[in-house]
Formats: sequence, structure tokens, C-alpha cells
Amino acid sequence: EVQLVESGGGLVQPGGSLRLSCAASGFVVSGHHMNWVRQAPGKGLEWVSIIYSGGSTYYADSVKGRFTISRDISKNTLYLQMNSLIPEDTAVYYCARDGAAGHWGQGTLVTVSS
Amino acid sequence: EIVMTQSPATLSVSPGEGATLSCRASQSVSSNLAWYQQKPGQPPRLLIYGASTRATGIPARFSGSGSGTDFTLTISSLQSEDFAVYYCQHYNNWPPWTFGQGTKVEIK
Repeated sequence: EVQLVESGGGLVQPGGSLRLSCAASGFVVSGHHMNWVRQAPGKGLEWVSIIYSGGSTYYADSVKGRFTISRDISKNTLYLQMNSLIPEDTAVYYCARDGAAGHWGQGTLVTVSS
Repeated sequence: EIVMTQSPATLSVSPGEGATLSCRASQSVSSNLAWYQQKPGQPPRLLIYGASTRATGIPARFSGSGSGTDFTLTISSLQSEDFAVYYCQHYNNWPPWTFGQGTKVEIK
């Protein structure tokens, strides 16, 4: 069974950093395109980043230069390193598998506030 | 960046009635279009991919159509569990794979 479990969210001050993790089971992370998608409170979905199965990475303009997506094949885990956080980054962050994402985690809440 | 525009923002429908949701892309995305359903406190659920293919386990009352820039999600007869927010997303060529702003389907 495919499962995605995010962790690492929490309260952080503006300018701070967090690293989100997405532990995968039931499939190999490196064999699929893996996305991060976020949702600010009461708002819609925003695509954040992707790491292709081949390793190429892309980012939304809103996070480019501040966020880094990566994966650890040995741990079958996806990561999102978030630096220079701003209040507008406050959201539930989901990891999701593939372009048309049929598998999502339950999300982890990131709150950026002083 | 391709902009996805959904209409209407809110759709009021009585149970048993049909609903038609629209999604327009600012440039062609071919058939690389997905529809998701989201309920409060839950992650999105994939309904349709490839513009018209139902995902595993999705009831036949959900159907998708369109290609290029104009897409439609049709729910033939709304059940109580269908009242939710629906999003379209393109996954054409290069990212960003943007979402529409969502259509809320509410009980009339």
C-alpha cells in the first residue's frame, strides 16, 4: 500500500528555517516525480516544488532561492528545506506523488510568526 | 507560467441534481489536466487525470472532458459526499504545475 507521511512542521519566526520530511512506503521515491504542494489557511492549493525521477528540480517563483527539494534514496524519503521563511509561507504542506497526484500525505502545518 | 481559471467560484446544487464545473488554461496544456476533490481537513483526492480518465475507485457519476485550454468536470447526480471544493491542475511539460483557485460545490 502506498503511504506518504509528512513531518517537521511547526512554529518558526520570520527569517528562520525548517526541514520537512515525507516518508514514503509501498513504492520507491526515486522512481516517481515527487511534489510539494501547500495550502494557506482557508485558501486554495499552491504547487511549490518537484523533483523528477531523474533528479531535476523545479520551484514556484514564490519560493525559488529559499526552498530546496531533495530525496534520500536509502531512507525512501522526500525533503523540503525551507530557509528565510516569511509569514506568507504559513500553510499546510503536502507531499504528493506524480504529475496527476493520486497519492498525498496528510500534510504538516508550518506557521511563520513572531 | 500557465494560469488556470475555474468557474464559478461557488456552485449551489440540490442533492440529486447535476453540476458542471469549468477550468480554463491561459495556454494549451493538451490533455495534461487533473481534477481533485478536497473536503475540510483532508488532502486532495484525485478524481480525473488526462482530462477524462477517472482515477481508481472514482464513481462513474464523475466525468471530465476537454483538451487544449477548456475543460469541464461534470457530476451527474450529486450525492451528499460530493459537496466539497474542486480544483483543476495542469501538469503539462515544464513546471510550475499550477492549480485553479477552486470551485466550492455547496448544498442549495
